[in-house]
Amino acid sequence: GAGVSQSPRYKVAKRGQDVALRCDPISGHVSLFWYQQALGQGPEFLTYFQNEAQLDKSGLPSDRFFAERPEGSVSTLKIQRTQQEDSAVYLCASRTGLLTEAFFGQGTRLTVV
Amino acid sequence: AQKVTQAQTEISVVEKEDVTLDCVYETRDTTYYLFWYKQPPSGELVFLIRRNSFDEQNEISGRYSWNFQKSTSSFNFTITASQVVDSAVYFCALSEAGGSNYKLTFGKGTLLTVNP
Repeated sequence: GAGVSQSPRYKVAKRGQDVALRCDPISGHVSLFWYQQALGQGPEFLTYFQNEAQLDKSGLPSDRFFAERPEGSVSTLKIQRTQQEDSAVYLCASRTGLLTEAFFGQGTRLTVV
Repeated sequence: AQKVTQAQTEISVVEKEDVTLDCVYETRDTTYYLFWYKQPPSGELVFLIRRNSFDEQNEISGRYSWNFQKSTSSFNFTITASQVVDSAVYFCALSEAGGSNYKLTFGKGTLLTVNP
């Protein structure tokens, strides 16, 4: 597609439920990132992939958060046993190389009730 | 640690006014990148500019201009003759210039409302 695509756009989960958020980067983009944006805040870095390798997961808030990109294209961010504090917009971005701009998707708004 | 401060939470202007969005940053890195992104109501972050810390030359792109002052650690963004379509949240961000340049530190954003 023309841009970074994320699905679903909106997700309501009951506390304790597991969720999976999908990101389709721009075709050919080597690098992929996930960011978490709480209401009224700026995005915060979660994790970074180069192809299928997860090179940095320092921003993942707990071991309930897991991300993968098995074939170096589509990525999934999984949150186990969701908590209310996980409610946020999850943004995915991709770029072609180290010094190029990152293109962001529209995000998935997760609400944990 | 890196930090980006956008002191203006919200700004409201009338169409055709000029508006400046402030950004102050903190970093221990000697080389770094500064960014501005626009986030319209649809949610995606739209890239506006990236500035290398070595390049203090101001930049103009149409109605947009950026003033980088390394001495005051500021990277301000001015929109000239604002339009209703400029209404959005604007984020200033910072990254190191080395191997971790993928990791952006964002400010909290400034909500700009341009009224007709």
